[in-house]
This record gives sequence, structure tokens and C-alpha cells, in this order.
Amino acid sequence: DTAVSQTPKYLVTQMGNDKSIKCEQNLGHDTMYWYKQDSKKFLKIMFSYNNKELIINETVPNRFSPKSPDKAHLNLHINSLELGDSAVYFCASSAGERGFTEAFFGQGTRLTVV
Amino acid sequence: SQQGEEDPQALSIQEGENATMNCSYKTSINNLQWYRQNSGRGLVHLILIRSNEREKHSGRLRVTLDTSKKSSSLLITASRAADTASYFCATFDNYGQNFVFGPGTRLSVLP
Repeated sequence: DTAVSQTPKYLVTQMGNDKSIKCEQNLGHDTMYWYKQDSKKFLKIMFSYNNKELIINETVPNRFSPKSPDKAHLNLHINSLELGDSAVYFCASSAGERGFTEAFFGQGTRLTVV
Repeated sequence: SQQGEEDPQALSIQEGENATMNCSYKTSINNLQWYRQNSGRGLVHLILIRSNEREKHSGRLRVTLDTSKKSSSLLITASRAADTASYFCATFDNYGQNFVFGPGTRLSVLP
């Protein structure tokens, strides 16, 4: 069973569209994250979320918003997509007190905005 | 600010050789972690070393940690073509409550 799963794996869309990427973890973890990986493989945090607190990286445009229907899901919604949003987006989760255990990553969603 | 930074950025070796990658970080930590990313895939956790540990082994992996120098190294012994991947070190940012990754080392193991 996949521990952290993301859908879709590939997403090609036009500028200006609104899209969502879904993420689910079956590990019972309390904390989930969204990272953006650019073409140089640099990983940048976008959001950190547990059932009590959402922390947003201040550099993330407000066109991006996380939505968590329950503890096992943290979806990423993007409004008014721009060319610069093209990247690979990774969902991750971790257990217990933050930072004391490893993170588990999904396979990534490659977003291409045309 | 980015905490972990690896060097070299890219490393190419022959199968059977050892590969060493280094990581530096800026703030105090409770642990440091190494991850591997195969092309087109997500990151996979390799090993975690706590701040009170100096060395840790897992199979062909050996990690060292020097908190006085704020640095860590990952050694892969007897490398295989399947070890070809990008390797990232990570620390935890208590302020931002997230894992902070370095830019990674791209390792190529040639058969």
C-alpha cells in the first residue's frame, strides 16, 4: 500500500485555470506538508499543517491554498495558474512531534502550465 | 533561510567505488536526515542521525555528524549503478515547522 499518494502524477493546463492536486496519507501521521521542487531540484516548503495549525511560507502566493477535509488528506488548490507555477509538487507527512522523525513523500505531481 | 547545503553538487564515480557527500547547516538541530531521490520519483528517507550521535551506519551507508562544525557527511561504500540518484540532507526548522532541504548532490554511478 502506498503510504503517501498524490494525484494526478502529471497535470498540463493553461494559464489562468484553477486546478487541485490531491494528497492522502495512510500512515496516521499528524503533520502534512507541501513542497515545490523547481527545475534545479531545489525543494521549497509551501505549507506545513497539522490538525491544529497551518503554517504558510510567506513567499507563497495567495493563489495557492491548502485544504484539509480530514487528518489524512491535504489537497493543494491553485487559482489563476501562471507559467512560473510549472514545477513538481510533493506532498509529505511525518509523525509525532515535528522534526523528530522522518518525512514520507508522495511520488510528486509534475505541473506544466502552458 | 536554507539550512542544509550539500557539496559536491554533482559526483560521478565508477561502480564499486565509494561516494562521499557533505552537508553543512546553519542553526542548531536535534537531528539531521539524508534522503535519496531517484529520477522522477519522490524522496525516500535513508538515515537519521541525532545531535548527540557522531556516526551511524545502515548497510552500505555511513553518516557522520560534527555539530561543532555544523556539518555532516554521507558515505556510500561499494557503490552500484542503482545508487544513481540525487541525495539531500535535511534539518528541521522549528520556526517554520518544516523540513529544510539542501540543494542536493547528483550522484552518477557508472557501470
